[in-house]
Amino acid sequence: KAGVTQTPRYLIKTRGQQVTLSCSPISGHRSVSWYQQTPGQGLQFLFEYFSETQRNKGNFPGRFSGRQFSNSRSEMNVSTLELGDSALYLCASSFFPSGRSRSYEQYFGPGTRLTVT
Amino acid sequence: SQQGEEDPQALSIQEGENATMNCSYKTSINNLQWYRQNSGRGLVHLILIRSNEREKHSGRLRVTLDTSKKSSSLLITASRAADTASYFCATDESNGTASKLTFGTGTRLQVTL
Repeated sequence: KAGVTQTPRYLIKTRGQQVTLSCSPISGHRSVSWYQQTPGQGLQFLFEYFSETQRNKGNFPGRFSGRQFSNSRSEMNVSTLELGDSALYLCASSFFPSGRSRSYEQYFGPGTRLTVT
Repeated sequence: SQQGEEDPQALSIQEGENATMNCSYKTSINNLQWYRQNSGRGLVHLILIRSNEREKHSGRLRVTLDTSKKSSSLLITASRAADTASYFCATDESNGTASKLTFGTGTRLQVTL
């Protein structure tokens, strides 16, 4: 199976602009999560989508939003960019298990490196 | 916020030696996972240990979990230069209807020849 893909891989934006990042999960995976990684804050959970619905959200301002399409592909959007939004944005997909199991691993994409100037 | 604190922050060893990394967390978990990240790239899942398990092996990896102490350790035996990477523990607080991993601060491992 093809892995998780993210586009673009690198992006440079100016403060105040907005940006949209895209993520294509592994075929058959319906859960897509987004994370922000910075040297200062480490890996921070942004949100998780499943079947086009946001099921969980991290502690980020409303400038950060996302959506998921019927084919499980996901996008995240950051509006009114700030210098502090410069980070590696990682997308991960997982297979939502049937039955009562709660344990499932996540498969990460290579990330999108966003630089805000 | 980050759930886990990892120790040490950085570790430098020679090829062939064992590397041990520790992770502490704060809340109840369903499982704990370890990931590896090569410089500036995506994370690769290494191993998952459920909350009712105490030890798990996968190749050269050995993970232990002590839920009473809220801690876990990752042991890499007979390390190789290719093991050079950052290693993160992640606690799964999923409630069965939503997925969420909370990552630790990571340990940077350097394996030299």
